Amino acid sequence: AQTVTQSQPEMSVQEAETVTLSCTYDTSESNYYLFWYKQPPSRQMILVIRQEAYKQQNATENRFSVNFQKAAKSFSLKISDSQLGDTAMYFCACSYSGAGSYQLTFGKGTKLSVIP
Amino acid sequence: DTGVSQDPRHKITKRGQNVTFRCDPISEHNRLYWYRQTLGQGPEFLTYFQNEAQLEKSRLLSDRFSAERPKGSFSTLEIQRTEQGDSAMYLCASSLPGQGINTEAFFGQGTRLTVV
Repeated sequence: AQTVTQSQPEMSVQEAETVTLSCTYDTSESNYYLFWYKQPPSRQMILVIRQEAYKQQNATENRFSVNFQKAAKSFSLKISDSQLGDTAMYFCACSYSGAGSYQLTFGKGTKLSVIP
Repeated sequence: DTGVSQDPRHKITKRGQNVTFRCDPISEHNRLYWYRQTLGQGPEFLTYFQNEAQLEKSRLLSDRFSAERPKGSFSTLEIQRTEQGDSAMYLCASSLPGQGINTEAFFGQGTRLTVV
């Protein structure tokens, strides 16, 4: 079984500033994937960034980057130059191949508000 | 193809009634997932299809819940004898076959069920 913990229920950041969202996970699998998903209000969940556990290099996608600490089972998301459109729920998630399903285990989420 | 489509977007039903939701995945995606998201929580996995075969079911999926994916295309999730505790957002997601980057799940906008 996998567990994902997000310890920050809510966060806020000033527009153009940088914010870091925390995530820790626990899994007994050796080959797994980590994700950050964004869920804007009343809109569908979209992938922000992904990390394969076997890759040591931290993933980056434009203003979004992760700090993947495999030994500590930590996977934080850094958002640089925050924009109003970044306001959303952010979910950290983990998956592994299992029976081939790659089902996702999510944390409870962090509500991020970007303040003008 | 505009993405994963779910119908209806909202459903209000009386306790004890049956409800059915539909999900149309992205056309080339052979993996399909159902998740349930309650207020203030991250999505929880319910069940997984690979093509028309239902390969995994969560223990959250009581015997009142049934899912199908005839011909490996659209999927339906039926809840019989609904209870107030079934009130939630039901999310559908799909992904390509294979491993690695293909494991990215694309989500629909969800069906919000309210049982009164």
